Amino acid sequence: EIVLTQSPGTLSLSPGERATLSCRVSQSVSSSYLAWYQQKPGQAPRLLIYGASSRATGIPDRFSGSGSGTDFTLTISRLEPEDFAVYYCQQYGSSPKYTFGQGTKLEIK
Amino acid sequence: EVQLVESGGGLVKPGGSLRLSCAASGFTFSNAWMSWVRQVPGKGLEWVGRIKSKTDGGTTDYAAPVKGRFTISRDDSKDTLYLQMNSLKTEDTAVYYCTLMRSYYFYCWGQGTLVTVSS
Repeated sequence: EIVLTQSPGTLSLSPGERATLSCRVSQSVSSSYLAWYQQKPGQAPRLLIYGASSRATGIPDRFSGSGSGTDFTLTISRLEPEDFAVYYCQQYGSSPKYTFGQGTKLEIK
Repeated sequence: EVQLVESGGGLVKPGGSLRLSCAASGFTFSNAWMSWVRQVPGKGLEWVGRIKSKTDGGTTDYAAPVKGRFTISRDDSKDTLYLQMNSLKTEDTAVYYCTLMRSYYFYCWGQGTLVTVSS
């Protein structure tokens, strides 16, 4: 079973700063199979990044994804107040077919 | 605009059953692969199961914790997705999200419906 480990668990930053979130996968996966989601309190998750680096429709260009193999990164270049939320990575595999990381909470410092 | 609206959540006793529905609009439902994802309040996300379009075989896959107890089905004439949950356990308590899939990811999510399994 593939395990996704996100770090850090909580990231405390100020608006305007750069955020770097990590997702480590226990086995090498195709970049095509890696996605990132944002979830705000009381809301459903929203797709941000798919295929490791492609932004979903309507996602601002301050969000970017990178990585390959077992190490993937979500970067938010300049934090806006609305970016403070929980972020999840997700991969497609064999069993279970879809797995999420445990999440990184991005909070205002 | 894609819309997914779940319904059918509520309180049920352990061992009981519940059926969730998801009304879809804004896209060609019959061509879509759909999934259910759940989230224990305050915790992370867990994929529950997926159904392919009938064109692609209409087959289903499930996560191990729900396999044999949960069944996903679809009514393309009503643009509706279902999740039949039997033999419910307390650990099935969660918000259940209906999702539209694109390739290997969850493209659009409903607002979720809360299922509480408690005596």
